[in-house]
Amino acid sequence: GAVVSQHPSWVICKSGTSVKIECRSLDFQATTMFWYRQFPKQSLMLMATSNEGSKATYEQGVEKDKFLINHASLTLSTLTVTSAHPEDSSFYICSARDGQGLETQYFGPGTRLLVL
Amino acid sequence: QKEVEQDPGPLSVPEGAIVSLNCTYSNSAFQYFMWYRQYSRKGPELLMYTYSSGNKEDGRFTAQVDKSSKYISLFIRDSQPSDSATYLCAMTTSGTYKYIFGTGTRLKVLA
Repeated sequence: GAVVSQHPSWVICKSGTSVKIECRSLDFQATTMFWYRQFPKQSLMLMATSNEGSKATYEQGVEKDKFLINHASLTLSTLTVTSAHPEDSSFYICSARDGQGLETQYFGPGTRLLVL
Repeated sequence: QKEVEQDPGPLSVPEGAIVSLNCTYSNSAFQYFMWYRQYSRKGPELLMYTYSSGNKEDGRFTAQVDKSSKYISLFIRDSQPSDSATYLCAMTTSGTYKYIFGTGTRLKVLA
């Protein structure tokens, strides 16, 4: 149980294009989903927290107009990187918290984005 | 000073050794403590979840929390080459659900 999927697993795009990443909880309802960014050999950096049906809460320094987050249902959240630039190249990971009261986040396999 | 400190390693041990991984923290409000394992280019996988102080054992893994010292540990018994990965500690206060991660310790178990 507690499986989280992400799609795509990797994407290469040209500078200036937008990229959408999907995060799905496959066998539980996720009241809260989180989006992280990870640079090589570094830890996870929280970008934003999203609750189903409400606006995402962004961490300080994260541009909300650049990283659009939509949490339309209890099993799906999307992250759209708008007008991507090479410095946006990174490993993006989502996690989902189940609604059973545990303080546990289950992570997706990550999406590697390369912007040329 | 970071809220959570973790030695980045790498830590190299021979197969079969007992591995000790540690994190220290500064926020006494942390109540929930997690250990994740992350293989290269993969998402973190939850290994252990502990609430407040004490020990928890699951197979070859034992998690310890000492809130008085603000110190948590993960022990791996009979380590295997397949345990080679980065181990991340994470912690949170009750009700926030926002995790604070350590930098991760890279572990190499040599066959």
